[in-house]
Amino acid sequence: QKEVEQDPGPLSVPEGAIVSLNCTYSNSAFQYFMWYRQYSRKGPELLMYTYSSGNKEDGRFTAQVDKSSKYISLFIRDSQPSDSATYLCAMSVGAQKLVFGQGTRLTINP
Amino acid sequence: DSGVTQTPKHLITATGQRVTLRCSPRSGDLSVYWYQQSLDQGLQFLIQYYNGEERAKGNILERFSAQQFPDLHSELNLSSLELGDSALYFCASSPRTSGGNTDTQYFGPGTRLTVL
Repeated sequence: QKEVEQDPGPLSVPEGAIVSLNCTYSNSAFQYFMWYRQYSRKGPELLMYTYSSGNKEDGRFTAQVDKSSKYISLFIRDSQPSDSATYLCAMSVGAQKLVFGQGTRLTINP
Repeated sequence: DSGVTQTPKHLITATGQRVTLRCSPRSGDLSVYWYQQSLDQGLQFLIQYYNGEERAKGNILERFSAQQFPDLHSELNLSSLELGDSALYFCASSPRTSGGNTDTQYFGPGTRLTVL
């Protein structure tokens, strides 16, 4: 079993829809949770960074962490075609390596 | 643009050869991380350096090695290359590594390695 599980999709939604992306994990020691966006053949770009449980909002993006359920989510409101990319969840224990999910490929259709 | 640079962008080589990938971290960042991204394994941590010293190792093969120089740039050396080493190799940097808190890692554009 992988430490971090993420549905690879693909996920296709119409423009303007609310998108929900999720990851589950098994290591209860994870404290730091991140979401990266990766366009094709590009490097991952940091979108959201959260410490421990709770919600964090940044514009159209909201990250949620539920440590009791070992479950994290990323919500994208008013999705745009430019949001089409692969979304990677990542987590770490302190100042250590990032452990990534497999990535979810998202397409927003105009 | 994350501020992390990697060269070359693409590398095509043959099995058995040796290559060197180069990474320059963001200005002021002391930590450098190397990751490998393949279709079947996703993004996997290879190795971390902090201010010239190795800090952590992941699933890095013995044929692979890395170092961080006094100017903080880093090189990843891959030798005796096999077909299965074909992948995207990313470098990431962060300002520091400390006992408790983590720093966000900023990724470079990657080097695409193709082994024929």
